Amino acid sequence: QSALTQPPSASGSPGQSVTISCTGTSSDVGSYDYVSWYQQHPGKAPKLMIYEVNRRPSGVPDRFSGSKSGNTASLTVSGLQAEDEADYYCSSYAGRINWKFGGGTKLTVL
Amino acid sequence: EVQLVESGGGLVQPGGSLRLSCAASGFTFSYSHLNWVRQAPGMGLEWVSYISSTYEIHYADSVKGRFTISRDNAKNSLYLQMNSLRDEDTAVYYCASDRDYAFNIWGQGTMVTVSS
Repeated sequence: QSALTQPPSASGSPGQSVTISCTGTSSDVGSYDYVSWYQQHPGKAPKLMIYEVNRRPSGVPDRFSGSKSGNTASLTVSGLQAEDEADYYCSSYAGRINWKFGGGTKLTVL
Repeated sequence: EVQLVESGGGLVQPGGSLRLSCAASGFTFSYSHLNWVRQAPGMGLEWVSYISSTYEIHYADSVKGRFTISRDNAKNSLYLQMNSLRDEDTAVYYCASDRDYAFNIWGQGTMVTVSS
């Protein structure tokens, strides 16, 4: 089972917006609106940032937003802040109680 | 405070066994679906196993037949019995609850190293 495809890196200056893509297939991202995004700082556990494509858990700033088109999902971080620098992982439910993750994107705030 | 705390990691030789535990607090454990997710050093996340509130169980193909997930609602605890361990099982193992098909609560992880 192949992982979802993310760019290895992304960057932006404080205040700017950056978008991270996550490409799957018609069997995962394309079939289910169960795409989620996780933020992971070095040495820490992942934190849920987006679920069901574009829903934010309580406490996640509205600077974080998600979308999906076909087999590709996206995470947009607006108004970049220094604390947004982290690794970001997408995940998609892939049916029959199975999840796939992306390889991760290292977001650098310049 | 909602919390998951893993334990039981360590160094084990290839072919050996290890049992991980995850203690939960601050939420209704018995109603929760639970998972193990692992992360090899410097790598991405990989879903490993799932157990529902009604004891439905699933595994990733990479661990099927070698790992066994279980839960004890009386102890608010999740377990992962890992047998026939391989070098490629080396990773930080996280327990995580899932809700709406997303992993909403994560533990801090426990490191498993498989090496001779």
